[in-house]
Amino acid sequence: DAKTTQPTSMDCAEGRAANLPCNHSTISGNEYVYWYRQIHSQGPQYIIHGLKNNETNEMASLIITEDRKSSTLILPHATLRDTAVYHCIAPNTGTASKLTFGTGTRLQVTL
Amino acid sequence: EAGVTQFPSHSVIEKGQTVTLRCDPISGHDNLYWYRRVMGKEIKFLLHFVKESKQDESGMPNNRFLAERTGGTYSTLKVQPAELEDSGVYFCASSSGLELEQYFGPGTRLTVT
Repeated sequence: DAKTTQPTSMDCAEGRAANLPCNHSTISGNEYVYWYRQIHSQGPQYIIHGLKNNETNEMASLIITEDRKSSTLILPHATLRDTAVYHCIAPNTGTASKLTFGTGTRLQVTL
Repeated sequence: EAGVTQFPSHSVIEKGQTVTLRCDPISGHDNLYWYRRVMGKEIKFLLHFVKESKQDESGMPNNRFLAERTGGTYSTLKVQPAELEDSGVYFCASSSGLELEQYFGPGTRLTVT
């Protein structure tokens, strides 16, 4: 797996955009970037993934730099329910690969 | 579409006893994964099934853990005999062969006393 580096924690005011960065400078050409989050003690929840193009779904947007060495997960209008630990993961194969979780970024959304 | 389900949600057993955890993946998902999170640590991969075959069991901690997926549908993870350090939350996830994302169940919290 490509090594990923994320800030330990971030705060965001409710209603504002939350921008969570991830560095993955050793990522190879066929490695996707996945984002998952874990709310309290629940099971991890898939958010979004991408290879080199920016992606958007109903939960978030993923912006990947042109050199693919970093990416940013954007929650456009954060709510209190988005408080969670966010994990950026880059498995070493494109499909059906195990996920290696690090410590992630603990996002605290406040009033 | 029903999500990944796990049973039981909680289990408290004594050291030396046996426990069996069950995971029902999303219908039609060939890939099934087991992960666990022990107190204060990160979520760790245990093993990966493709249908009924073990694709990758590199994360299984020792031979006290036995995972099966007979028939390629639900899976069980047996811990025998349980030790104190086995306490934690065991997650199951599944994915189809065509999708890249894994869908996780709510987990089974195992406490060994």
